[in-house]
Amino acid sequence: DTEVTQTPKHLVMGMTNKKSLKCEQHMGHRAMYWYKQKAKKPPELMFVYSYEKLSINESVPSRFSPECPNSSLLNLHLHALQPEDSALYLCASSLKQGLTNTEAFFGQGTRLTVV
Amino acid sequence: DQQVKQNSPSLSVQEGRISILNCDYTNSMFDYFLWYKKYPAEGPTFLISISSIKDKNEDGRFTVFLNKSAKHLSLHIVPSQPGDSAVYFCAASGTGNQFYFGTGTSLTVIP
Repeated sequence: DTEVTQTPKHLVMGMTNKKSLKCEQHMGHRAMYWYKQKAKKPPELMFVYSYEKLSINESVPSRFSPECPNSSLLNLHLHALQPEDSALYLCASSLKQGLTNTEAFFGQGTRLTVV
Repeated sequence: DQQVKQNSPSLSVQEGRISILNCDYTNSMFDYFLWYKKYPAEGPTFLISISSIKDKNEDGRFTVFLNKSAKHLSLHIVPSQPGDSAVYFCAASGTGNQFYFGTGTSLTVIP
């Protein structure tokens, strides 16, 4: 099973709404990631969790709030977003073996539209 | 600062021929390299990877070559099939938790 599951697949939200994106994997991976991808651009790293602890925050605005409740789940809480935050949000996980990386597996993404 | 670069935004190849996608990187601390295939509005799908201790890794129709001295890697697809048409991203990582992605190459395989 190399599956990373993201819900919802599509989300439309107003600028005053609060919503959450969810990500789940059962591969025993201890590193989980949130990426943002705009059209015709590469995935852009937002956050990295390593062993359920936030290890990297790429200067993401506080209207994005990540949470890792356990080793299988990763959430991204959204509040007061702007239309320019509309993008494909990708979750990924990888098996972190000491200092050695292995391939990251991506979910299908959540297409977010902020109106 | 783009540490991983794919200088060809697009590539067209006839079905059955070889597709060669190129990728350059600047950080000599990278020790693990990956190729992903991506369709619009979907997540990237892992294709093949290579560790810096190797110079070649092969998996079916896909072969990745690594030239550490030139900081260059390439993905060879042979024979190319119409279903291979997608955007291909190379990525690199070091001892940290980050994967750095290139800007992508859109491959079109013409039947």
